[in-house]
Formats: sequence, structure tokens, C-alpha cells
Amino acid sequence: KAGVTQTPRYLIKTRGQQVTLSCSPISGHRSVSWYQQTPGQGLQFLFEYFSETQRNKGNFPGRFSGRQFSNSRSEMNVSTLELGDSALYLCASSLKSISIMNTEAFFGQGTRLTVV
Amino acid sequence: QKEVEQDPGPLSVPEGAIVSLNCTYSNSAFQYFMWYRQYSRKGPELLMYTYSSGNKEDGRFTAQVDKSSKYISLFIRDSQPSDSATYLCAMRTKTSYDKVIFGPGTSLSVIP
Repeated sequence: KAGVTQTPRYLIKTRGQQVTLSCSPISGHRSVSWYQQTPGQGLQFLFEYFSETQRNKGNFPGRFSGRQFSNSRSEMNVSTLELGDSALYLCASSLKSISIMNTEAFFGQGTRLTVV
Repeated sequence: QKEVEQDPGPLSVPEGAIVSLNCTYSNSAFQYFMWYRQYSRKGPELLMYTYSSGNKEDGRFTAQVDKSSKYISLFIRDSQPSDSATYLCAMRTKTSYDKVIFGPGTSLSVIP
């Protein structure tokens, strides 16, 4: 079956702009989680959406937001971009909420965002 | 001091070697421990998951947790060039997924 699809793969934006990233989960999966990966901070959890509701949230400012549609596809939006937002943004899909510990999440290839 | 420390490497070993990857942590409330493998230009994939202390084996991989020392390890036996990747440890407390913390990752190269 198809894996997790993230679009676009690469993106260049300027400071102050906003950006929307998309994630299509594995068919049948209802949970989509978003992560930011940078060389300095590593992989950090942003938030999880399950059945169109935000279930868990990491420690990121309100400029980072998301939503999930009825077909489980999710979008993440970052407003007023800062240079420090340059990162690889990964989404992961899972059948159950990631709050259930032994739930395995499958990651997409990520969107590489560069803010200039 | 970061909550989870991991030697970033790079670690280079010959094919067939036993590899030891390690993480230390400071939060004694961590109870769930995971290892992820991330190939270049790919997302992480879950390799092993353990709860509390002890060992867990899966094929050539063994995960070990020593909660008294706040130290976890991943051993790879008979390493293969296909094991070349970045290995991330991750851990969380029993109750809060938003407290999951990832290590920075160790880059491993297995030389044929």
C-alpha cells in the first residue's frame, strides 16, 4: 500500500511569509503527527491530529498550526516565517492515536523548508 | 544539559562488526524507550521499543535499558552496509506523549 506522502518535498520562503505543508497518511490511518527536525534541536514533536481534532501538542509557538480533513489528510501552516524555522518537517501517520504507546507511526520523507 | 544525549558520530565500522549505539538521559520519569533508524532523505522508522529496564532482541538488533544508570543502548550484530543510517533514540514518560524526547542521532557507516 502507498506510504505517507508529503508535499512539496522542497520549499524556499522569505522571512515574514507563511507556508502550508501537506501530508497524506496511509489509507485507513486516522492519526497524523507533525515533527520538526533540525541539526541543532533534533526531532521535535509539533502536534497530532486524530479524526480531525488536535489531540496532542508540543512546545511550539502559535505561529505553527494545523488541521486535518475528513479524509485524514493534514496540513500544517507556519505564519510569519523566521530564519530559525528552516528545517525538515516530517509527518507520521498511524492507525490509532500516538497517545497509545505501542502504536507504530510511519513517517513520510519530509518537506525541506528553507527560510531566507 | 539536554534531557537526552547521544554521541553524534560519525561512527564508521567494517562490515560484520558489532555496533553499540548509546544514549544517556536525565529525566528519571522516562519509562518508554525507542530506537529509530533514519536513512538519508527519508523519515525515521521505528526499530525497537522497550518499556522500563531490561533487554529486547529482534533479529540482529538488541535494545538494552538500564534505568538505574539512565542509559540505553542499541546493539547491532553482524552489521551490514544497509545498516548505514542515522540512529535516533527516543523516550517518553508514561502519561504524556508531548513529552517524547528524541536524541540528536548517531550517524553510522558500515564499510564493506
